[in-house]
Amino acid sequence: GDSVTQMEGPVTLSEEAFLTINCTYTATGYPSLFWYVQYPGEGLQLLLKATKADDKGSNKGFEATYRKETTSFHLEKGSVQVSDSAVYFCALSDWDTGNQFYFGTGTSLTVIP
Amino acid sequence: DVKVTQSSRYLVKRTGEKVFLECVQDMDHENMFWYRQDPGLGLRLIYFSYDVKMKEKGDIPEGYSVSREKKERFSLILESASTNQTSMYLCASSSPGQGAAEAFFGQGTRLTVV
Repeated sequence: GDSVTQMEGPVTLSEEAFLTINCTYTATGYPSLFWYVQYPGEGLQLLLKATKADDKGSNKGFEATYRKETTSFHLEKGSVQVSDSAVYFCALSDWDTGNQFYFGTGTSLTVIP
Repeated sequence: DVKVTQSSRYLVKRTGEKVFLECVQDMDHENMFWYRQDPGLGLRLIYFSYDVKMKEKGDIPEGYSVSREKKERFSLILESASTNQTSMYLCASSSPGQGAAEAFFGQGTRLTVV
């Protein structure tokens, strides 16, 4: 079945450091891929998305590229800020499985000044 | 601004009570979902619905039921609350189809069963 595996945390970085959070997936069809962010006490917000191979999603300095050959969708940011401290979830939605969403377990990021 | 609204941010209920969690969306989405979120386990799907009066079990449906009488409203019911159902509950909605139709989430309900 479909699944998402993402890098375990927690991750602690200094401000302006480079961020990578790894995400790989297994899907029966050709899924859409997403990164969501959750700030403390809140629901999940969409950060970025990609629908097909080699698409790059980007938002607020974050980027991720849909890599079909490696079934990956790694999240990157060149220079993190304290305000980026949150939990990040990788997810997929697969038309072949009725558009259910499959989430990774989440990666907690803390950025220290 | 599109919205998914959950009726409560925080709830405290007693063991054995019947608990209703309500979710309303204003985007005319066909699909609606209930997840629970626990530390180290991520989001686990309880139930989802792809149309009015239609429902499908997710990964952890035991102890829960759902109701969708109107397109915009999806209710999660804990038939007899137990302490192991203490969790964060998240409702989401989306529009079906191929392509990147993302899920929109409510703010979550933190339920404590005592």
